[in-house]
Amino acid sequence: DIVLTQSPALAVSLGQRATISCKTNQNVDYYGNSYMHWYQQKPGQQPKLLIYLASNLASGIPARFSGRGSGTDFTLTIDPVEADDTATYYCQQSRNLWTFGGGTKLELK
Amino acid sequence: QVTLKESGPGMLQPSKTLSLTCSFSGFSLSTSGMVVSWIRQPSGKSLEWLAAIDWDGDKYYNPSLKSRLTVSKDTSNTQVFLKITSVDTADTATYYCARTDGTYYYFDYWGQGVMVTVSS
Repeated sequence: DIVLTQSPALAVSLGQRATISCKTNQNVDYYGNSYMHWYQQKPGQQPKLLIYLASNLASGIPARFSGRGSGTDFTLTIDPVEADDTATYYCQQSRNLWTFGGGTKLELK
Repeated sequence: QVTLKESGPGMLQPSKTLSLTCSFSGFSLSTSGMVVSWIRQPSGKSLEWLAAIDWDGDKYYNPSLKSRLTVSKDTSNTQVFLKITSVDTADTATYYCARTDGTYYYFDYWGQGVMVTVSS
């Protein structure tokens, strides 16, 4: 199994940068692509795709969101953070079946 | 417009079989490359992928739950089903179905989820 590890919580101030990390226990790269994706989930809602293949912005997602990384280390950045960004963020790999990280809850200071 | 909607029993007793239906529109599971997945989330916890079925009828299961899961689709390719046998309280969760990109396998559209409680 590919295990994804995220920090449980992060607190940032409005207008600042939030960086959420995701580390895997196996390489999720394959033929030049990183099979890592990011989702946002607000309370009572289904997850929403933000970033696919580590750095590609999903349709309709504002450019404040960005992703980077390769191999076993990935980050999701929100810059600048807005009040509506308070949510839990999940990373997910699809290199070998599918697994999710434990989620990072983003809160405002 | 792609939409998915899950339906299920709401509540069932331990040891029973849970049957879930995912009804979708805006795409057909007969289209080459299409995949639909099931994912669940216990309250306050993370997401757990359960199973997937593709346009060709190939099925994929979470290894830790494989013996209890069966995924299938209907002949019109507009519904996907999931059965979980011998449920217990640990299966209490919100269950989602999601359209899955057939090339890079991310979940691009999600249903609203259906809550299932296992209780005696």
